[in-house]
Amino acid sequence: EDQVTQSPEALRLQEGESSSLNCSYTVSGLRGLFWYRQDPGKGPEFLFTLYSAGEEKEKERLKATLTKKESFLHITAPKPEDSATYLCAVLPRRYAGGTSYGKLTFGQGTILTVHP
Amino acid sequence: GAVVSQHPSWVICKSGTSVKIECRSLDFQATTMFWYRQFPKQSLMLMATSNEGSKATYEQGVEKDKFLINHASLTLSTLTVTSAHPEDSSFYICSAPPGHTAYEQYFGPGTRLTVT
Repeated sequence: EDQVTQSPEALRLQEGESSSLNCSYTVSGLRGLFWYRQDPGKGPEFLFTLYSAGEEKEKERLKATLTKKESFLHITAPKPEDSATYLCAVLPRRYAGGTSYGKLTFGQGTILTVHP
Repeated sequence: GAVVSQHPSWVICKSGTSVKIECRSLDFQATTMFWYRQFPKQSLMLMATSNEGSKATYEQGVEKDKFLINHASLTLSTLTVTSAHPEDSSFYICSAPPGHTAYEQYFGPGTRLTVT
């Protein structure tokens, strides 16, 4: 069974205080790992896709990395507007085609709050 | 990025009535769409996979006769909550992958359903 575990459940930072969010996964053949940001009352917003161990992606203050067992979302010098829930999801290779193409397994998310 | 819309953004209905939620891919064709529901402070729970021109595939524990899904075209999927009850009140979100060369999914803004 595919499993995704995110930690911590909640994280409070001061503005400018860098930190990392963790996403540990167990999947039978990983096709891709995805990071999303979700603001309250809205749908998730796509951030990154990582396909293989060692891969890194960056966008503004965010950097995502991937190993064979986990992914990290590093937040450098966060600002209050970075406050949101960050979701991690995996796409097993068996769902990379066919009628269940794209079926993701999500983690529970990390609620990030950045105080000014 | 690809754009997915949902309509309505929120709806209030009386117990026993049916409600239809639309999910549209605005700038790409989606042979597959996914429907999720999300309870407060919880992650996304996949309800069903919608495939254009064929029957939807429902996740274990989801009543297919209660949550009717129709994927009538390559840009439109609908979710109808039949004989709604207060426990069906939730945040419903759809998503779609833009194509078989890109595995990331794009989410709609969500529909808040309240059943009184």
